[in-house]
Amino acid sequence: EPEVTQTPSHQVTQMGQEVILRCVPISNHLYFYWYRQILGQKVEFLVSFYNNEISEKSEIFDDQFSVERPDGSNFTLKIRSTKLEDSAMYFCASSQEPIWGYTFGSGTRLTVV
Amino acid sequence: SQQGEEDPQALSIQEGENATMNCSYKTSINNLQWYRQNSGRGLVHLILIRSNEREKHSGRLRVTLDTSKKSSSLLITASRAADTASYFCATDKGYGGSQGNLIFGKGTKLSVKP
Repeated sequence: EPEVTQTPSHQVTQMGQEVILRCVPISNHLYFYWYRQILGQKVEFLVSFYNNEISEKSEIFDDQFSVERPDGSNFTLKIRSTKLEDSAMYFCASSQEPIWGYTFGSGTRLTVV
Repeated sequence: SQQGEEDPQALSIQEGENATMNCSYKTSINNLQWYRQNSGRGLVHLILIRSNEREKHSGRLRVTLDTSKKSSSLLITASRAADTASYFCATDKGYGGSQGNLIFGKGTKLSVKP
């Protein structure tokens, strides 16, 4: 079964550093998403991406965050200057058509120290 | 309460028993989805039910949706120890042109004892 692949599975970074989280969505999917889950809390929507542009973003997705689809297969989330509160599990998801459902990756656990 | 609230927060049952988890939401939806998450791991999509559907089955899973009460239930029949996980409902925001962004609940932590 096709999978959404995320790398790395775990990343530790120092506060203030930039991080890039990588995702390879399912190849024929057109809609891409990032979500995050702070330990013990709800999964929260960050951003959706379609047709090479952001279609919607949450309040969490401020100027420190950016997304890119650099080469037609990867989908990346960049955090410019990480804060302690950015520590969370970050999930990438993709969908061929949102009304049909989504496939999530297994996540990247980001720890900011 | 917020969109997508599950209850109970935790459920402990014996293997072979059925497990029922409920989800309530506040706004109109296009669809409601259930996901499973093993501790510290990724989200696995279980089942999607559209707003015009009332019941859906997938293997040992049965999902119902009552849009008049804005609630859904997930039933796992003949549970197994391997079903131990957290279960989340997630709603699609449901307005025209929505890109299908999901709102998750806090989840029900299911423990199935062998």
